Amino acid sequence: RKEVEQDPGPFNVPEGATVAFNCTYSNSASQSFFWYRQDCRKEPKLLMSVYSSGNEDGRFTAQLNRASQYISLLIRDSKLSDSATYLCVVRGTGRRALTFGSGTRLQVQP
Amino acid sequence: NAGVTQTPKFQVLKTGQSMTLQCAQDMNHNSMYWYRQDPGMGLRLIYYSASEGTTDKGEVPNGYNVSRLNKREFSLRLESAAPSQTSVYFCASTGGQPNTEAFFGQGTRLTVV
Repeated sequence: RKEVEQDPGPFNVPEGATVAFNCTYSNSASQSFFWYRQDCRKEPKLLMSVYSSGNEDGRFTAQLNRASQYISLLIRDSKLSDSATYLCVVRGTGRRALTFGSGTRLQVQP
Repeated sequence: NAGVTQTPKFQVLKTGQSMTLQCAQDMNHNSMYWYRQDPGMGLRLIYYSASEGTTDKGEVPNGYNVSRLNKREFSLRLESAAPSQTSVYFCASTGGQPNTEAFFGQGTRLTVV
């Protein structure tokens, strides 16, 4: 089983739609959780951290469920510029590095 | 701000050739990482360094060596390149706290023929 699993998509949605991505992780000792965005052939960039109480940044809402080892990202009012691959990222304890999911591709259409 | 700088951006190697990918960060980060990304796949960890003088294997270390030369620099070496090492390589760095963001270099697109 992969440490971090995501639905690869693609998700094709019209502008203005609401779309949700899910991610599961296998290591219950994981400490930190993130969503990164990666545009085609570019480096990943942080979209938002995910906190236990859930957090929101404009049109983006992230949720964490530690009991189910599950992370979600909700995008409201999708824009064309949201088209990208969204990577779920988990960080363990101590010297453990960041572990990336394979990414979920989103295509927002006019 | 330079952030994380990787060189070269593109490289073509013949099978069996060697090369070193360079990475430097100017954010005083302790931890540095090398990932590879293949089409349709996420980033897979090759090696990482939690601090100067330490390195650890990641998920796919075979065929690679690393050097944490100092706090700023973390290089990745391919001793004898193989076509299976054709990939995009990303270097990243993070600070010491668990919730800190990882910053990435722009990537090196390597083709081994």
